[in-house]
Amino acid sequence: QVQLQQSGPGLVKPSQTLSLTCAISGDSVSSNSATWNWIRQSPSRGLEWLGRTYYRSKWYYDYAVSVKGRITINPDTSKNQFSLQLNSVTPEDTAVYYCARPGSYGYWAFDIWGQGTMVTVSS
Amino acid sequence: QSALTQPPSASGSPGQSVTISCTGTSSDVGGYNYVSWYQQHPGKAPKLMIYEVSKRPSGVPDRFSGSKSGNTASLTVSGLQAEDEADYYCNSYAGSNNFDVFGTGTKVTVL
Repeated sequence: QVQLQQSGPGLVKPSQTLSLTCAISGDSVSSNSATWNWIRQSPSRGLEWLGRTYYRSKWYYDYAVSVKGRITINPDTSKNQFSLQLNSVTPEDTAVYYCARPGSYGYWAFDIWGQGTMVTVSS
Repeated sequence: QSALTQPPSASGSPGQSVTISCTGTSSDVGGYNYVSWYQQHPGKAPKLMIYEVSKRPSGVPDRFSGSKSGNTASLTVSGLQAEDEADYYCNSYAGSNNFDVFGTGTKVTVL
């Protein structure tokens, strides 16, 4: 079955870049039927979809308006993983970050999740 | 994109039913049949309970049901059990500009 394993630092300084990676097992980041998403959760903002990447003969990228301009999601086909980069972070970006993949139930029903990474933005 | 509106809390005794509402707009909940519901226990990732308004993924008990009327979706948990105590979040597709929006979350307490 498909599993997602997250990695990355739990502490980032203000104005720096948050970087997380989600390693995929049981599927391919280049799959023509999957999308690869990042979602975060904080007490102040609740659950918030951040963006996704997917491959349909070429790579596509969709980002939430709230983080557009600061976010990059990149696939890494050599390592079968995808990453999140969020620039110019502030304490408002403190959250648990999840990678997620819709499985058998449509593109907007996330049934496969990573374990979550708590990221704190603080000096 | 504003979050979908849910009541902060709901409760019921074991065996009773509880219904949670999720109010959006015609640009999200009312415009598409892509409403899903998630259950989240403390320290865990959300778990998909309902997709496409009323469909249950494999393994989800039929005590969980979903519906939609206009801009408001609902999740009903019948025959409440202790393990149903959790936070519940709705989610909706919101079109090709805003893509996806979650609800504010509802804490369900089993009395």
